[in-house]
Amino acid sequence: GNSVTQMEGPVTLSEEAFLTINCTYTATGYPSLFWYVQYPGEGLQLLLKATKADDKGSNKGFEATYRKETTSFHLEKGSVQVSDSAVYFCALSSPEYGNKLVFGAGTILRVKS
Amino acid sequence: GAVVSQHPSWVICKSGTSVKIECRSLDFQATTMFWYRQFPKQSLMLMATSNEGSKATYEQGVEKDKFLINHASLTLSTLTVTSAHPEDSSFYICSAKEYWYNEQFFGPGTRLTVL
Repeated sequence: GNSVTQMEGPVTLSEEAFLTINCTYTATGYPSLFWYVQYPGEGLQLLLKATKADDKGSNKGFEATYRKETTSFHLEKGSVQVSDSAVYFCALSSPEYGNKLVFGAGTILRVKS
Repeated sequence: GAVVSQHPSWVICKSGTSVKIECRSLDFQATTMFWYRQFPKQSLMLMATSNEGSKATYEQGVEKDKFLINHASLTLSTLTVTSAHPEDSSFYICSAKEYWYNEQFFGPGTRLTVL
């Protein structure tokens, strides 16, 4: 079945550092890929998405590129801020599984000033 | 943006009692609502999908008699954990979507602790 694997955290960075959170997936067919962010005390919010190979999703300085050849969707940001501290979830959905979301375990990001 | 609320945000109950968790869409009509369960340091696992006015569809391995889901209106779904036991302790998260859009909007979650 479909599954998502993302790097374990917590990831601790200084402000303005470069961020990468790795995400790889296993899926049949052509899934859509997502990154969600959960700030403390809030619900998950969609950060960005990509629906086909080589698509790049971007939002708030974050980017991720759908790489079918490596089945990856790594999240990157060039310069993190303290306000980016949150939990980040990689997820996928595919028509073969009724478009249900399948999540990775989540990665805690802590940014220090 | 679309807002989904959950109530309560945390609850502690005794083993054998039932607990009801509410999920509300505050500014849109949620034709479909989803209930997830999250264990510490683990993924969100989909428990069930409910469409307004019809019975919920449960994922494999989820006991429908233990986790009762009601989606009686376009803005409210409830999850009742019946005869709760300590192994039901978890973080329960709901999400909701409108008919026309694929995006799910998530509630903040409910922490259930069964003593």
